[in-house]
Amino acid sequence: SQQGEEDPQALSIQEGENATMNCSYKTSINNLQWYRQNSGRGLVHLILIRSNEREKHSGRLRVTLDTSKKSSSLLITASRAADTASYFCATDSGSARQLTFGSGTQLTVLP
Amino acid sequence: DVKVTQSSRYLVKRTGEKVFLECVQDMDHENMFWYRQDPGLGLRLIYFSYDVKMKEKGDIPEGYSVSREKKERFSLILESASTNQTSMYLCASSLFRGYEQYFGPGTRLTVT
Repeated sequence: SQQGEEDPQALSIQEGENATMNCSYKTSINNLQWYRQNSGRGLVHLILIRSNEREKHSGRLRVTLDTSKKSSSLLITASRAADTASYFCATDSGSARQLTFGSGTQLTVLP
Repeated sequence: DVKVTQSSRYLVKRTGEKVFLECVQDMDHENMFWYRQDPGLGLRLIYFSYDVKMKEKGDIPEGYSVSREKKERFSLILESASTNQTSMYLCASSLFRGYEQYFGPGTRLTVT
């Protein structure tokens, strides 16, 4: 069953603008991760935020986590054409420690 | 850098054929995973393994089996391929359970 659901499903912005995508989940988590997938390729890990953290930064990426609302957001600042990709959130919950992935947000950055 | 390789990028098989998808990782990770990815459904876990000779069913194991005879290699087997198994198959490995996973490039399987 899908734990994370991304919103929006698709997002199109101009180069230089910020992109924000959201993830909601249903059960309590150990951590939440964001991954990027370029067209037809494997996923690449971007950032992990633990359940006791509220915000985390990595370069142009900023992730927030609100466990009371069971939601997370990924902000990409000053976007570039190379950021065009699908972005997935994945939650680690329960004792089995598997990741459950959402259906992704397709980001298109127009030059 | 961790490298996860998959035996084929593209594969075309006929209904009823036995299909083997191979995955090899070079970082001595204990944890390995097989997912399938379909449009609008995200990634769904088929099987995973936390140790050699160990396997656990994921969310959609029906029609699949796996083999892990060596730590670095995790194979996905479609015993009798069907058209509804046409999909992108992704292998991943991780050092710690529940943490960062490293993915292979994927195998796009078409069953006709």
